[in-house]
Amino acid sequence: GAVVSQHPSRVICKSGTSVKIECRSLDFQATTMFWYRQFPKQSLMLMATSNEGSKATYEQGVEKDKFLINHASLTLSTLTVTSAHPEDSSFYICSARDYGGGGSTDTQYFGPGTRLTVL
Amino acid sequence: AQSVTQPDIHITVSEGASLELRCNYSYGATPYLFWYVQSPGQGLQLLLKYFSGDTLVQGIKGFEAEFKRSQSSFNLRKPSVHWSDAAEYFCAVGAPGGGNKLTFGTGTQLKVEL
Repeated sequence: GAVVSQHPSRVICKSGTSVKIECRSLDFQATTMFWYRQFPKQSLMLMATSNEGSKATYEQGVEKDKFLINHASLTLSTLTVTSAHPEDSSFYICSARDYGGGGSTDTQYFGPGTRLTVL
Repeated sequence: AQSVTQPDIHITVSEGASLELRCNYSYGATPYLFWYVQSPGQGLQLLLKYFSGDTLVQGIKGFEAEFKRSQSSFNLRKPSVHWSDAAEYFCAVGAPGGGNKLTFGTGTQLKVEL
């Protein structure tokens, strides 16, 4: 199956600093990637849709200046949490859309997630 | 707007017993349907998916799911559960032609008793 990696898997940072999380599709090209946030024992909340070569689309209530997304290539999207604060601590998961022409191959494959802790 | 309901927050089964996890969706047409599994501290792994055609879908790890349009359901089943199946299971619905943006259910936590 398709493989998506995330780096780092865990990060601890001080309040006020910025943190960058990378999401890579390893064996397919992804023009679209998604970024999710997951709180303990809860479901995934879609934050934004990352489109290669264009601006990301953010879900309602998500601060675009706080969560910067860059999708510079067909295999890499990055999420930067700027001026992080303790309330930004969470589990961040990315997915990459394997479109493959649509139909039965239009599937999202997920990365292993990044645990962010802001002190 | 699409939505997904997983009525069971927690389910406990004995190893070797059969399993059925319920999922109901709301969508104006036939959606794309997915089941994912998440182990603690990990990302989501795709178990199976339905797009069209045969309503009984086979997935990995011995799982299957059946799409029932009349009931707006996509329940996940396994005939004999293994202890390693203990995890969180998420049902998701995607909108064909809508960028396949996924809406997830709240998840079902499966515990397997030995």
